[in-house]
Amino acid sequence: DSGVTQTPKHLITATGQRVTLRCSPRSGDLSVYWYQQSLDQGLQFLIHYYNGEERAKGNILERFSAQQFPDLHSELNLSSLELGDSALYFCASSASGTPYNEQFFGPGTRLTVL
Amino acid sequence: AQKITQTQPGMFVQEKEAVTLDCTYDTSDPSYGLFWYKQPSSGEMIFLIYQGSYDQQNATEGRYSLNFQKARKSANLVISASQLGDSAMYFCAMREGTTGTASKLTFGTGTRLQVTL
Repeated sequence: DSGVTQTPKHLITATGQRVTLRCSPRSGDLSVYWYQQSLDQGLQFLIHYYNGEERAKGNILERFSAQQFPDLHSELNLSSLELGDSALYFCASSASGTPYNEQFFGPGTRLTVL
Repeated sequence: AQKITQTQPGMFVQEKEAVTLDCTYDTSDPSYGLFWYKQPSSGEMIFLIYQGSYDQQNATEGRYSLNFQKARKSANLVISASQLGDSAMYFCAMREGTTGTASKLTFGTGTRLQVTL
């Protein structure tokens, strides 16, 4: 158990809908990262938050947004869902915003868009 | 160009044998970190081992060791005394830079390891 929690574990929804994925980092970790794992794109970095502030953005679609709250949990909002958004979404946390701390991954949320 | 290359889509190894999973990387940044993660069929990503670009010695963690050859830009994972529970997908990843804005992990495509009896 990495100490990172993600809810829900599975999510099935229809095209055009909006969903929210939730992540709680390990106790004390200020950094939260979101990744998407799909069969065609592999594991891709989406976005990084550090202590409530956005620090880096990757290949995140405009239909997707994220935030990190004062209690350090984070939410990833996916809207106008398309079939291609079906993927495993991981949240990871690390102890600080510096690059050398390993990232600990949550169990992931498997999103299926029908 | 691919930043992280894992050329072995699949590998087989017999139980109790050692196996090397290859990883090469591409970066012009002198400061970077290399990571290996294991993803079993259940889907979670498990951190295995880390090597910093300035580390003088190869990293080791139990049965895992990292064969770091900086000039060749390779960071191969060696698993000694393979166990059936080692069967999983293995990902090599890199983090570049030293600032907080360069903190994302770039992953390779992974190697699926199957440990046989």
